[in-house]
Amino acid sequence: ELKVEQNPLFLSMQEGKNYTIYCNYSTTSDRLYWYRQDPGKSLESLFVLLSNGAVKQEGRLMASLDTKARLSTLHITAAVHDLSATYFCAVDPNYGGATNKLIFGTGTLLAVQP
Amino acid sequence: NAGVMQNPRHLVRRRGQEARLRCSPVKGHSHVYWYRQLPEEGLKFMVYLQKENIIDESGMPKERFSAEFPKEGPSILRIQQVVRGDSAAYFCASSLTILWDTASGYTFGSGTRLTVV
Repeated sequence: ELKVEQNPLFLSMQEGKNYTIYCNYSTTSDRLYWYRQDPGKSLESLFVLLSNGAVKQEGRLMASLDTKARLSTLHITAAVHDLSATYFCAVDPNYGGATNKLIFGTGTLLAVQP
Repeated sequence: NAGVMQNPRHLVRRRGQEARLRCSPVKGHSHVYWYRQLPEEGLKFMVYLQKENIIDESGMPKERFSAEFPKEGPSILRIQQVVRGDSAAYFCASSLTILWDTASGYTFGSGTRLTVV
């Protein structure tokens, strides 16, 4: 069974600092998604990574995918308070097949302190 | 385009009652997915439906839970004889094509937060 693990589970950081959230998964996949969730709200799609070596950036967030290491990273540059939220990675275990569902990690709660 | 609409936003049920959760997908989307999020956890896949068909229900509990997506109208997730362990946020998502064939993934609704008292 595919497992998706994120770390850290909780991250408290100061404004202006850089940090990285890691997402490891246990089986072969070449599609990985990052979502943001604010408290009590739905999930907002941030990035879709579709191949080994894919890198995408939006504002202060940058995501990358290494399918050989089964690892994705979400890098935060010069954090601001507005980035406080829970971040989820999700893997499509579709490699070689068609499952049409996502397996989510447990999430990383990011709290950016002034 | 109003996105994925779920209702109600909050639902309180007593143990033993039935809960009906509704999901209207993005206009033109024929693929609907239901996920459950328990407190402090990530989302867990429940079921994938296309119009009038259940394609994958591997994440659905074997008893008390059912889902449908009729030709007309919203998709319905139905939970019979609810228990406290059913308390969770239930999210619906939709996509235009199968997930594997889209570069953008799902569009999620705002969820229904079910509380069983």
